[in-house]
Amino acid sequence: KQEVTQIPAALSVPEGENLVLNCSFTDSAIYNLQWFRQDPGKGLTSLLLIQSSQREQTSGRLNASLDKSSGRSTLYIAASQPGDSATYLCASNTGKLIFGQGTTLQVKP
Amino acid sequence: GAVVSQHPSWVICKSGTSVKIECRSLDFQATTMFWYRQFPKQSLMLMATSNEGSKATYEQGVEKDKFLINHASLTLSTLTVTSAHPEDSSFYICSARDPRTGGSPLHFGNGTRLTVT
Repeated sequence: KQEVTQIPAALSVPEGENLVLNCSFTDSAIYNLQWFRQDPGKGLTSLLLIQSSQREQTSGRLNASLDKSSGRSTLYIAASQPGDSATYLCASNTGKLIFGQGTTLQVKP
Repeated sequence: GAVVSQHPSWVICKSGTSVKIECRSLDFQATTMFWYRQFPKQSLMLMATSNEGSKATYEQGVEKDKFLINHASLTLSTLTVTSAHPEDSSFYICSARDPRTGGSPLHFGNGTRLTVT
């Protein structure tokens, strides 16, 4: 049974810092891995999707990497802004999405 | 881009009543939809996989007689919470697989906040 773990659970940084969110998964037989953003009380916004054959994906200030053999993915956020404050979820796709617990990020002005 | 619409966005009901939540794919036909539940400060937990024209597949621990799923058309799946109790209060989110993109990424609705009093 796939288990997805995210570290840290919460993170508070000053504006402008670069930061890394971590995601690990136990079953490496994944089709892809997705990173999502969730604002309080809202649905999910898809940020990046990395196929199992890929090593990383970039979108603007976001870069996600995938190391399938070690069961790890990271989301790198460059030059963080207060608007980045949200919960970030990773989800592995083994035919169905299994989510981690999320990292709640606060970027202070 | 693909859009998934979920309705209602929030609902309050009395204990013992039933509530229906709709999930629609607006610009694509979704043969597969997924229903998730999210308790406060927790992650999304997959409840069931809804397949058009066939019975839903429920995850372990999810009562199929309590959470009725119907996927009667290629653009609509419904989740009915029967005989709701306060412990069913949660955030319910659906997602749909767009076959035009090979099913990835999944597209999510905006969720339904259910409060049972």
